[in-house]
Amino acid sequence: KQEVTQIPAALSVPEGENLVLNCSFTDSAIYNLQWFRQDPGKGLTSLLLIQSSQREQTSGRLNASLDKSSGRSTLYIAASQPGDSATYLCAVKISSGNTPLVFGKGTRLSVIA
Amino acid sequence: NAGVTQTPKFRILKIGQSMTLQCTQDMNHNYMYWYRQDPGMGLKLIYYSVGAGITDKGEVPNGYNVSRSTTEDFPLRLELAAPSQTSVYFCASSYVASGGKSYGYTFGSGTRLTVV
Repeated sequence: KQEVTQIPAALSVPEGENLVLNCSFTDSAIYNLQWFRQDPGKGLTSLLLIQSSQREQTSGRLNASLDKSSGRSTLYIAASQPGDSATYLCAVKISSGNTPLVFGKGTRLSVIA
Repeated sequence: NAGVTQTPKFRILKIGQSMTLQCTQDMNHNYMYWYRQDPGMGLKLIYYSVGAGITDKGEVPNGYNVSRSTTEDFPLRLELAAPSQTSVYFCASSYVASGGKSYGYTFGSGTRLTVV
């Protein structure tokens, strides 16, 4: 059974710092991996989607990498801002078609001004 | 485009009452999903649908029912509400091509349900 772990559960950093969020999964045979952002009391916003054949994806100050062989993905946030404060969720899709996403429990990020 | 729309945003139910959580999407996505999110527990899949008329159970289906009569709508029904169903419910959709290639998920803003 695929399990997704995100460590740490919470992280607090000063504004302007570069930071890395970690995601690990137990079965390396994944189809794709998706990073989401969730603001308190809100839904999930998709940030980046990495297909299994890709090594990384970038969007603005965000860069997500994928290392299937080691069962790891990282989300790099450059020059963090207070507006980046949110919970970041990692989710993996095991195969194509009708297999659902398996979510980690998230990392709660606080960026202090 | 509105994306995925969920109603209501908040609801308080008494034990034993029933209700339907509504979900509609306007992106012509073929796949739709219902998740629940409990504090510290992550998201758990309740039911999903791969197209109109086709539904299947997820990880935690007990106490819920779904239907998919159209591509756009995927309502979630609670027949006999129990305190254990107090949670935040999220509907999501995605597009899966005929060859099986899957694209990213789009989530609704959630329904916060309390059963007392």
